[in-house]
Amino acid sequence: DTAVSQTPKYLVTQMGNDKSIKCEQNLGHDTMYWYKQDSKKFLKIMFSYNNKELIINETVPNRFSPKSPDKAHLNLHINSLELGDSAVYFCASSPSNRGFSGNTIYFGEGSWLTVV
Amino acid sequence: QKEVEQDPGPLSVPEGAIVSLNCTYSNSAFQYFMWYRQYSRKGPELLMYTYSSGNKEDGRFTAQVDKSSKYISLFIRDSQPSDSATYLCAMTPGGTSYGKLTFGQGTILTVHP
Repeated sequence: DTAVSQTPKYLVTQMGNDKSIKCEQNLGHDTMYWYKQDSKKFLKIMFSYNNKELIINETVPNRFSPKSPDKAHLNLHINSLELGDSAVYFCASSPSNRGFSGNTIYFGEGSWLTVV
Repeated sequence: QKEVEQDPGPLSVPEGAIVSLNCTYSNSAFQYFMWYRQYSRKGPELLMYTYSSGNKEDGRFTAQVDKSSKYISLFIRDSQPSDSATYLCAMTPGGTSYGKLTFGQGTILTVHP
């Protein structure tokens, strides 16, 4: 069973469209994240939720809106897609949002978004 | 200047070699240090996790953290072709911002038979 699964894995869409990426974790973790990996391979955090509550919200355009219906799911909705949104989006989860030994952050396989 | 600097390589070594991967950082608040391995078209996979300064060993992998120098290293002994991947260092201050990992750019490693 995949610990952190996200769909779709590949998505090609036109500028101006609205799209969603879904994420689910079956690890029983309290905290989930969205990270973005750009063309230069830099991974940067976008959002984090702890028990459905938004706790980290980096400087991300308002067109990006995360939604956590329960602590096992964290979806990412993107409105009015732009060429610059093309990237790999990774969902991740961890037992807690606080630092302690063993609080490992597990990443999903990624969703490759291409905006044309 | 980026908070975390990592030489992107690429680094190519023969099978069996000792590989040394490094990152430097500027934020003295970082307390937790990690190394992730990322294969092509896959998500990052945690390899090593260290809190504060010191060494940690796990099989062929050794992680070192020197907070006084703001320098972390990952050593891979007896490298194998299956070790070919991108290696990412990551770090975080901890506390309630624990999940806000700051990553290096990643070093592309190729181990050839």
